[in-house]
Amino acid sequence: DTEVTQTPKHLVMGMTNKKSLKCEQHMGHRAMYWYKQKAKKPPELMFVYSYEKLSINESVPSRFSPECPNSSLLNLHLHALQPEDSALYLCASSQVGTSGRSYEQYFGPGTRLTVT
Amino acid sequence: KNQVEQSPQSLIILEGKNCTLQCNYTVSPFSNLRWYKQDTGRGPVSLTIMTFSENTKSNGRYTATLDADTKQSSLHITASQLSDSASYICVVPYGQNFVFGPGTRLSVLP
Repeated sequence: DTEVTQTPKHLVMGMTNKKSLKCEQHMGHRAMYWYKQKAKKPPELMFVYSYEKLSINESVPSRFSPECPNSSLLNLHLHALQPEDSALYLCASSQVGTSGRSYEQYFGPGTRLTVT
Repeated sequence: KNQVEQSPQSLIILEGKNCTLQCNYTVSPFSNLRWYKQDTGRGPVSLTIMTFSENTKSNGRYTATLDADTKQSSLHITASQLSDSASYICVVPYGQNFVFGPGTRLSVLP
């Protein structure tokens, strides 16, 4: 199973709503990632979890709150978002790299988020 | 500065024709380079990974090359199909992070 699943596929939320994006993988990967992608732009890294601990936070606003409850799941909690946060949110997973070696990332299909 | 550049920005070709996409990088130290295909509104899908010691690698109609001395890679698509219409993204790992190129948007017309 080389699949990363994300739910929901589409999400429309108001600026006062609280919602969560979910990501799941069963490849035994211990590194999981959240990316934000605007139209016609490459993905931008938001967060990296390594062995269920947050290892990289790319100065993401606090209205985005990641959570890694176990080695297979990754959540992104959303609260008080702005219209400019509308984007495709991608989850990815990989084996944890070591010094001088990195592993292939597997991406999920993404969640298309619209903030109204 | 660690960067990945791609050219052309966009490309339109007729079905059945070949094309070559370019990627230049300045990421150091270098371990490998990846090419991804991304359909609109979908997640990127890996096409190939080129390690430091590899010069050429094929995956069906896709052939990637790597010149680690000049820090350049290319992706050649043979006998293009309508389904090849997508963005092709070059990615180079840097530590736990990944440096993404801006992508080349390929459109294959009938």
